[in-house]
Amino acid sequence: GENVEQHPSTLSVQEGDSAVIKCTYSDSASNYFPWYKQELGKRPQLIIDIRSNVGEKKDQRIAVTLNKTAKHFSLHITETQPEDSAVYFCAARFSGGYNKLIFGAGTRLAVHP
Amino acid sequence: DAGVIQSPRHEVTEMGQEVTLRCKPISGHDYLFWYRQTMMRGLELLIYFNNNVPIDDSGMPEDRFSAKMPNASFSTLKIQPSEPRDSAVYFCASSFRLADNEQFFGPGTRLTVL
Repeated sequence: GENVEQHPSTLSVQEGDSAVIKCTYSDSASNYFPWYKQELGKRPQLIIDIRSNVGEKKDQRIAVTLNKTAKHFSLHITETQPEDSAVYFCAARFSGGYNKLIFGAGTRLAVHP
Repeated sequence: DAGVIQSPRHEVTEMGQEVTLRCKPISGHDYLFWYRQTMMRGLELLIYFNNNVPIDDSGMPEDRFSAKMPNASFSTLKIQPSEPRDSAVYFCASSFRLADNEQFFGPGTRLTVL
């Protein structure tokens, strides 16, 4: 069935360190993989996404990598800052021609000054 | 555009009462999604619409839940009768198929069923 697994569930780093969050998906036909950030009490917001024809995408301190063969993708945050503290969700768009996303369980990232 | 609008922002009700959550998607978006977020189950897709037509309601927990989209600018999620386990934050999101598929979330409705 449609499933996205996300690890770790919690992550604690020191300011300036890097953080990596990993996700695996079940549908080999998935072709779109967004990452959402949700600050406490706020709505999820898209921070970066990647499509299946690309192996890596970078936006300033944030990068995402995709390994279609292994069916996993990762979020990398470098030079973490306290404002990066939030819950991060990965998602995958499953095949079927519609915009349905299945979300991972989320990773609570805490960046300590 | 004001973004996705949801009302009410907070709802406290007693078990057995009917609850109606409302959503106005971003103008021009042709997809609308209803999600439920809890600590235990994370972010769950309940149902989604394309051009006002329900496409997939497999995430709707049971018959007590129903959703409608009478036109392109309005959708409702109704729970009748409500139960304490329905307490959660309910998000509505919309997207435009031909614009990179990004889903824009509303601010959410925090529902508490006593």
